[in-house]
Amino acid sequence: AQSVAQPEDQVNVAEGNPLTVKCTYSVSGNPYLFWYVQYPNRGLQFLLKYITGDNLVKGSYGFEAEFNKSQTSFHLKKPSALVSDSALYFCAVRDSWVNFNKFYFGSGTKLNVKP
Amino acid sequence: DAGVTQSPTHLIKTRGQQVTLRCSPKSGHDTVSWYQQALGQGPQFIFQYYEEEERQRGNFPDRFSGHQFPNYSSELNVNALLLGDSALYLCASSRGTGTSGEQYFGPGTRLTVT
Repeated sequence: AQSVAQPEDQVNVAEGNPLTVKCTYSVSGNPYLFWYVQYPNRGLQFLLKYITGDNLVKGSYGFEAEFNKSQTSFHLKKPSALVSDSALYFCAVRDSWVNFNKFYFGSGTKLNVKP
Repeated sequence: DAGVTQSPTHLIKTRGQQVTLRCSPKSGHDTVSWYQQALGQGPQFIFQYYEEEERQRGNFPDRFSGHQFPNYSSELNVNALLLGDSALYLCASSRGTGTSGEQYFGPGTRLTVT
């Protein structure tokens, strides 16, 4: 079965510093990977996705993610963090072609950006 | 362009009762998925509807059922509520099935079972 793991429950970073939120995946077949962000009392907002092609994917709000097949990782990054980036971040993988409509989410990483 | 909408926002029910949650997909989307997000956890896939049929189902009991209407809106029904059903229920919409596209999520319905 497909799965993703987010090893850090919380990440703390100072405003203006680079940030990384980690995600590793386990899939059979080609991975379809996603990052979503959730603000308090809000639904999930799509940030970016990796389907195929360039290993560095650029997304919304200045976020990017690096796909690394050998390390089965898909880490979310941003060169300069903003206080407004503080939120809950979820990594997700879409199931294989057999069960293509299922998304599997990680447990989430809370990002705290301090002024 | 309205995004995904869900109603109600909050709901309090008693154990053993039944509940119906509603979802309207984003304009142009025809596929609706439902997720359960327990406190402190990531969303878990319940099922997906396309062309008014359930296409995929996650590991949830038959107490969880759904429906999709001709206008693509959807309902999630939960019977015989348990305390453990307390969660945020998220609806997500997308265009078609078997594509690589992302899902767009609604704000969710917070269900509390007492």
